[in-house]
Amino acid sequence: DAGVTQSPTHLIKTRGQQVTLRCSPKSGHDTVSWYQQALGQGPQFIFQYYEEEERQRGNFPDRFSGHQFPNYSSELNVNALLLGDSALYLCASSFLRLAEETQYFGPGTRLLVL
Amino acid sequence: GESVGLHLPTLSVQEGDNSIINCAYSNSASDYFIWYKQESGKGPQFIIDIRSNMDKRQGQRVTVLLNKTVKHLSLQIAATQPGDSAVYFCAEVDGNKLVFGAGTILRVKS
Repeated sequence: DAGVTQSPTHLIKTRGQQVTLRCSPKSGHDTVSWYQQALGQGPQFIFQYYEEEERQRGNFPDRFSGHQFPNYSSELNVNALLLGDSALYLCASSFLRLAEETQYFGPGTRLLVL
Repeated sequence: GESVGLHLPTLSVQEGDNSIINCAYSNSASDYFIWYKQESGKGPQFIIDIRSNMDKRQGQRVTVLLNKTVKHLSLQIAATQPGDSAVYFCAEVDGNKLVFGAGTILRVKS
C-alpha cells in the first residue's frame, strides 16, 4: 500500500523565483492538504483540495496556489519567493468520500530560498 | 484564532521509563484529536487519535487521555525506547484542517 509521496525532496531557489512542489496521495485517498512547517514550529495549514477544487484555505497570500488532478495528485505553486518561504512543505492525504478525517503525511519537500 | 499548544517543549526520559506528553487545546467545540510523531527530516507520522465521546484510547505502547473539562490531552508512552526520540505534536481537527501546536521534543537517554 503506497503511502503519500512528495517530490522533490529538497529544493534551492532564489528570491523572486517560482517553485512547484508535487504530491501523490496515499492509495485510495481522494483529498490532499498542504502545510508549511517552519523550523522549530508545527505545520501550518495552507489549503485543501478535493474533486479538483480548493475546499478551504489558510492564512497564506495568493502567491500560494494549488491544483489537484483527476488522479487525485496535487501541486503546490509558490510565486515571487521570499526568504521567509524557506520551510518544509508537507502534503497530507485523507479519504473525504468516506468522511475519514485522519490525514496521513508525506516526507515533505524542504525548500530553501536564498 | 483557536490554537493547540503544548506545556513542555522538551522532555528527557530514561530508556524503559514511561513518558507523558501534554497538550492543551482552546476550542471547546473540537471533537477529534490526533497525535503525530515527527522524526528528524521526516513528515509527521500518525500515532493515535481520539474522539470527544471518549476519554481514553489505547494503542500499542501508547495511550491517549482526553479531559474535556479542562481541554487537555496527554500521550503516554510505555517503556520508552530510543526509537521514540522525536518531536510529538497534538493536532486538533478543525473542519478540513489540522491545527497543530509547537510540539514537544522527547529525548530518550540510554
